[in-house]
Amino acid sequence: DAKTTQPPSMDCAEGRAANLPCNHSTISGNEYVYWYRQIHSQGPQYIIHGLKNNETNEMASLIITEDRKSSTLILPHATLRDTAVYYCIVRVAARNTPLVFGKGTRLSVIA
Amino acid sequence: NAGVTQTPKFRILKIGQSMTLQCTQDMNHNYMYWYRQDPGMGLKLIYYSVGAGITDKGEVPNGYNVSRSTTEDFPLRLELAAPSQTSVYFCASSYGPGTQYFGPGTRLLVL
Repeated sequence: DAKTTQPPSMDCAEGRAANLPCNHSTISGNEYVYWYRQIHSQGPQYIIHGLKNNETNEMASLIITEDRKSSTLILPHATLRDTAVYYCIVRVAARNTPLVFGKGTRLSVIA
Repeated sequence: NAGVTQTPKFRILKIGQSMTLQCTQDMNHNYMYWYRQDPGMGLKLIYYSVGAGITDKGEVPNGYNVSRSTTEDFPLRLELAAPSQTSVYFCASSYGPGTQYFGPGTRLLVL
């Protein structure tokens, strides 16, 4: 599975959009981009995933560049409860290989 | 649905003791996983299973054993506890190699 690069930390003002970048320049054509987050001491929580089209659900939006080498997770109106570590993971969905977690981005939402 | 449940929530072990961490899911998922997370680090895969009777090693399997006799349960066994096994352990499940759902974790301290 392709490796990802994320900034170690970011700050965001409460109520503003949080834009979390992820670089995956070696991604293959059949690899999906997954986003999870981990709120302090809790188990990771699935947020969203996509292949090449932009995706949106009740939690967030995922924007994937046309060349698929990078993506951005957008939390449209960040709240204090969105403070967490966010993990960007690239993997082949059909393969029997589990997720590989890196160190992620620590997002701090500030009042 | 309760989702993924783990017991115990917290345990202190002495060096050389053994214990079993329990994990149960009620979503009829065929895939189950065990991860460990050391302080300030990402998750590392210990073992995983793609169905009852089938298990495979992850990134850090040494010192652990697993079994999968039913779809619902995936216990993790520590035979001879060592201080290096002090960590938070997360169990997860998925329907196929897709989105994983995590339990709340078991915090283990080996002294």
